[in-house]
Amino acid sequence: DAGVTQSPTHLIKTRGQQVTLRCSPKSGHDTVSWYQQALGQGPQFIFQYYEEEERQRGNFPDRFSGHQFPNYSSELNVNALLLGDSALYLCASSLWFGTLAPGELFFGEGSRLTVL
Amino acid sequence: RKEVEQDPGPFNVPEGATVAFNCTYSNSASQSFFWYRQDCRKEPKLLMSVYSSGNEDGRFTAQLNRASQYISLLIRDSKLSDSATYLCVVTGGSNYQLIWGAGTKLIIKP
Repeated sequence: DAGVTQSPTHLIKTRGQQVTLRCSPKSGHDTVSWYQQALGQGPQFIFQYYEEEERQRGNFPDRFSGHQFPNYSSELNVNALLLGDSALYLCASSLWFGTLAPGELFFGEGSRLTVL
Repeated sequence: RKEVEQDPGPFNVPEGATVAFNCTYSNSASQSFFWYRQDCRKEPKLLMSVYSSGNEDGRFTAQLNRASQYISLLIRDSKLSDSATYLCVVTGGSNYQLIWGAGTKLIIKP
């Protein structure tokens, strides 16, 4: 049973560039959430996707966008990269419980983005 | 004031000791509470949910104090493998969005 997989694991970009991160959820899960975790901080919620639609969004600018595909996999896109976007980007999968908080999130190992 | 606050630590504790740390939250409407564990440079993993009546899982005990708006985690007979960062997670507001604390770093020494 495959867990949550993310790619790439590490990447380096320069300011102003664009990046796409990918996530495949745990088998049987239908909901994908994306988080940004800066060094020494807790994960910050970016957005959540279910049935190919963004269902919730955290306090992130429009430069952060996403997509969910029919097979439940998801992409996170960040445009016009800033130095402050350097962080670990975590994908979490879960089952959709409507407005209820998921009981457990399963995280991938993350994509570590460095912006120079 | 942050929505979820934790003492960043580190807590340096000898092996076999008991350690406890708290997490305070600001939204009195929060309904769900969790403790996650994150090893260095790894992803977070659910340690335990926190129920109103408190719950215990082996050496770990979690409790909720709604009146004072905090949750606690107690680790008994600590092991070297308990060294990690412990993240407190709380649902915030009417949209049940998960709000994460910055974590408490625990170091168990031999």
